[in-house]
Amino acid sequence: EAAVTQSPRNKVAVTGGKVTLSCNQTNNHNNMYWYRQDTGHGLRLIHYSYGAGSTEKGDIPDGYKASRPSQENFSLILELATPSQTSVYFCASGWTGGANTEVFFGKGTRLTVV
Amino acid sequence: AQKVTQTQTSISVVEKTTVTMDCVYETRDSSYFLFWYKQTASGEIVFLIRQDSYKKENATVGHYSLNFQKPKSSIGLIITATQIEDSAVYFCAMREGWSGTYQRFGTGTKLQVVP
Repeated sequence: EAAVTQSPRNKVAVTGGKVTLSCNQTNNHNNMYWYRQDTGHGLRLIHYSYGAGSTEKGDIPDGYKASRPSQENFSLILELATPSQTSVYFCASGWTGGANTEVFFGKGTRLTVV
Repeated sequence: AQKVTQTQTSISVVEKTTVTMDCVYETRDSSYFLFWYKQTASGEIVFLIRQDSYKKENATVGHYSLNFQKPKSSIGLIITATQIEDSAVYFCAMREGWSGTYQRFGTGTKLQVVP
């Protein structure tokens, strides 16, 4: 069974503070993703990675950085958190190429910036 | 550009009936993959079913099936014999190209199944 683990599951941060959301996958997938979910917007792609050492911008990368130090780990970094970044964040992993490329999601991190 | 649109915000159906959720997509790629995911009340998101653009036959998995209308760029999700536990938010997604890396999602449709 594919496994994607996010930490923390809940986080309250102060405006202007630094926040790091972590994600670990045991699927040996090459690709990893960070999405945020907001009412009316569905799931929007923030950053993604092809493999260790790579990060790519998604549709809404402003205000976020990403880091992929290894195949298993992918972090999302908010250097200066703002209230507009209050959201639920999902990490996911999957393969590149071919047909069997559904993604597997973590359980989400609820971030509140006050 | 790649785009996925779900216009139905919410649907309510009676248990044991059939429901169809709509999804339209935009792509310039001749090869693409379409997915449906389910988000339960706990927030967990799981993959349900996939349609490959080059396949004419509609995909079916259990009581989930797809209505793939390529000329209309449409991929509907059909749930037959709905159950209370089918109540969830359903997302449509698309990945472009055989080597495409990421999926772009629609805004989701909330399904409520009532007794």
